Amino acid sequence: GAVVSQHPSRVICKSGTSVKIECRSLDFQATTMFWYRQFPKQSLMLMATSNEGSKATYEQGVEKDKFLINHASLTLSTLTVTSAHPEDSSFYICSARVQGDTQYFGPGTRLTVL
Amino acid sequence: TQLLEQSPQFLSIQEGENLTVYCNSSSVFSSLQWYRQEPGEGPVLLVTVVTGGEVKKLKRLTFQFGDARKDSSLHITAAQPGDTGLYLCAGARRVNKLSFGAGTTVTVRA
Repeated sequence: GAVVSQHPSRVICKSGTSVKIECRSLDFQATTMFWYRQFPKQSLMLMATSNEGSKATYEQGVEKDKFLINHASLTLSTLTVTSAHPEDSSFYICSARVQGDTQYFGPGTRLTVL
Repeated sequence: TQLLEQSPQFLSIQEGENLTVYCNSSSVFSSLQWYRQEPGEGPVLLVTVVTGGEVKKLKRLTFQFGDARKDSSLHITAAQPGDTGLYLCAGARRVNKLSFGAGTTVTVRA
């Protein structure tokens, strides 16, 4: 299957700082990538759809100025959590659409905001 | 409310037993995916079903898509401890979007 990587795998930061998470498609090009958030023992919640070369589409209730998404190339999308607060602590997962509706997921990034 | 209702939420069985996880909705999906996720990792794709009534087998795992493309099931035969994990179904109604079920946590005891 298609391989999607994420970096970093875990990050701890102080409240008020910004954190950037990278999502890369390693063996294919992805015009569309997705960013999800997952709380402990819960399912995935779609935050936004990242489209190469255009603005991201955010789900209702997700602040676009808080979660900045950039999809500058066909293999890289980045999520920047700006002015992070403890309530932003979560497991962030990206995915890439290969063909049809199927998505392949990255390994996730554990963000802890102190 | 979730678009896809998964049941049961938790399942704990002994090694060698069979189990079935259900994914139901009142909506029609163009396709449905099943994923397995282990703690601290991203979901791993198990299968994609597209055609109503479709049955796919992956070793001891059997996936079924309902005739009306509103529901699906995952059946595991002779479960092993390695099958332990969070099983997620996800349906596609519109291009570019998946709606996830709440997940079923499966624990297989040795």
